[in-house]
Amino acid sequence: ETGVTQTPRHLVMGMTNKKSLKCEQHLGHNAMYWYKQSAKKPLELMFVYSLEERVENNSVPSRFSPECPNSSHLFLHLHTLQPEDSALYLCASSPRTASSYNEQFFGPGTRLTVL
Amino acid sequence: QKEVEQNSGPLSVPEGAIASLNCTYSDRVSQSFFWYRQYSGKSPELIMSIYSNGDKEDGRFTAQLNKASQYVSLLIRDSQPSDSATYLCAAFYGGATNKLIFGTGTLLAVQP
Repeated sequence: ETGVTQTPRHLVMGMTNKKSLKCEQHLGHNAMYWYKQSAKKPLELMFVYSLEERVENNSVPSRFSPECPNSSHLFLHLHTLQPEDSALYLCASSPRTASSYNEQFFGPGTRLTVL
Repeated sequence: QKEVEQNSGPLSVPEGAIASLNCTYSDRVSQSFFWYRQYSGKSPELIMSIYSNGDKEDGRFTAQLNKASQYVSLLIRDSQPSDSATYLCAAFYGGATNKLIFGTGTLLAVQP
């Protein structure tokens, strides 16, 4: 148990659906991240938030929309996804972004399948 | 393009042996390095971090960093079947990049 929780753990959605992924961290960290993990590919950083302000948008399509209402919660809103978006979506947190001591702790992930 | 390279494996070692996992990175600017363990179907778990040249030991794990040669390694002593997992190497790039770059991981299989 890393102190980072994610819901739901599994999600199946059609291409016309709208859904949201939720992440919550109980570590008192100031930075939160969304990653995508596909088979045989490195973890891909999607978004970075530092103190609720988005500091990184890694060329992610607009069908993915992040929201960070406070430093403990992070959402990823999904709409009109494509089958190639099926992957494991991981949330992580760290004490801060701009530091070499950037130990990131991951949640359990949401396994997303787009039909 | 900043990269972190790992051999995908599988690396197969007998139980009780030393497993040696290696990682190279492309940019001398990288400041800190991390090893994550990921079991099949699970999320990455941080097991070691190393910030300066040399060795860092934690239980059965030893991380080694050589910034001049741009490589990081992880040694697992007395390997156990429960160590069978994918090991991800990550390098933190500060400055304008300010992000953690991951390798694709090395699959370790410890044979009983």
